[in-house]
Amino acid sequence: GESVGLHLPTLSVQEGDNSIINCAYSNSASDYFIWYKQESGKGPQFIIDIRSNMDKRQGQRVTVLLNKTVKHLSLQIAATQPGDSAVYFCAGADSGAGSYQLTFGKGTKLSVIP
Amino acid sequence: EPEVTQTPSHQVTQMGQEVILRCVPISNHLYFYWYRQILGQKVEFLVSFYNNEISEKSEIFDDQFSVERPDGSNFTLKIRSTKLEDSAMYFCASSEFNEQYFGPGTRLTVT
Repeated sequence: GESVGLHLPTLSVQEGDNSIINCAYSNSASDYFIWYKQESGKGPQFIIDIRSNMDKRQGQRVTVLLNKTVKHLSLQIAATQPGDSAVYFCAGADSGAGSYQLTFGKGTKLSVIP
Repeated sequence: EPEVTQTPSHQVTQMGQEVILRCVPISNHLYFYWYRQILGQKVEFLVSFYNNEISEKSEIFDDQFSVERPDGSNFTLKIRSTKLEDSAMYFCASSEFNEQYFGPGTRLTVT
């Protein structure tokens, strides 16, 4: 089955610096990916998504990069702020199989140092 | 901004009892999902629902689980006879197409 996992369980960055959170996936059929942010006691909050026909997508202060060759994606957060402190999950789906069942990674905890 | 809502926020129940977790998806969404997250573990898919029927379900979603859309707004998850290992956060999500938006979750504690 599919497995989506994260390289770094924790990440500490200085306020104002850029953050990069990484994720690896195992199912080469995965063609749709989402990054979620989860603050303590809350549900996952949608940040940005990307399809496999793209290798980069930008949002407000966030960029997702997808490398299908090595089955890796990353989330870049520019000018990290204290409000960015949370656990970040990547999730993937094999939409080509008609499935939008998301498989989540374990999460990376981002701590922003003021 | 529209959001998914869930009730209750915390449910405590005794082993063997039935529980119903409730969700109100975003109004124009057509796809509905339940996920769970055991403390300290990954978010896990349970079931997806579209056009008044289950689209997909995971191995976790056994005969003890059922889902229903009893009216035009609510989406419920029922656990018939709860077990200790059902203790987890249960998240409802909905989507119009691909982007799944999650509710705040219901913390289920089985004692």
